[in-house]
Amino acid sequence: NAGVTQTPKFQVLKTGQSMTLQCAQDMNHNSMYWYRQDPGMGLRLIYYSASEGTTDKGEVPNGYNVSRLNKREFSLRLESAAPSQTSVYFCASSDSPGQPQHFGDGTRLSIL
Amino acid sequence: QKEVEQNSGPLSVPEGAIASLNCTYSDRVSQSFFWYRQYSGKSPELIMSIYSNGDKEDGRFTAQLNKASQYVSLLIRDSQPSDSATYLCAVLQNNNAGNMLTFGGGTRLMVKP
Repeated sequence: NAGVTQTPKFQVLKTGQSMTLQCAQDMNHNSMYWYRQDPGMGLRLIYYSASEGTTDKGEVPNGYNVSRLNKREFSLRLESAAPSQTSVYFCASSDSPGQPQHFGDGTRLSIL
Repeated sequence: QKEVEQNSGPLSVPEGAIASLNCTYSDRVSQSFFWYRQYSGKSPELIMSIYSNGDKEDGRFTAQLNKASQYVSLLIRDSQPSDSATYLCAVLQNNNAGNMLTFGGGTRLMVKP
């Protein structure tokens, strides 16, 4: 039972490069989320998808885009990476927005 | 912005003692509360959820909720070195993004042998 799977686990980018972080869940959850975690800042919501076919901005959406590809998959794209986007990115899923969330292992992203 | 506040710690307790972790929140209408444990370099793991005033026990863990005072706490009895981690409080709040979990910054717990 894989739960929530994120790829890649680590990535180093140069400023201005683009990349997509992938997330897939096998728990048949309706809702999926992207967070970033920075030292001393806790988890901050970037974007979420309450159900297949919908996406909405969270607390810190600037510089990111998302795609809910199907019920299982939710990707996060950085179009033009900036050093301020260096962080650990977590994908999570839940049955609905008010239910407990289950997290993937995270992607450690460094932007030089 | 509705807040969820935790003391960042570190909270240091000896092995076998009770560790008490506290969390306060600003949204009076919040109904759902969760505690996550996060080991260094790992992802958050759900350990407790609580929805009603009072205590909820699960093994060595007890969650306590007081909605009138707007705080939720986590007690860990017979603390073990393996409990050393950061504990995140999460509160379901209604904000600009709808009903979403808002996380506190976490309290780092150190259990010394």
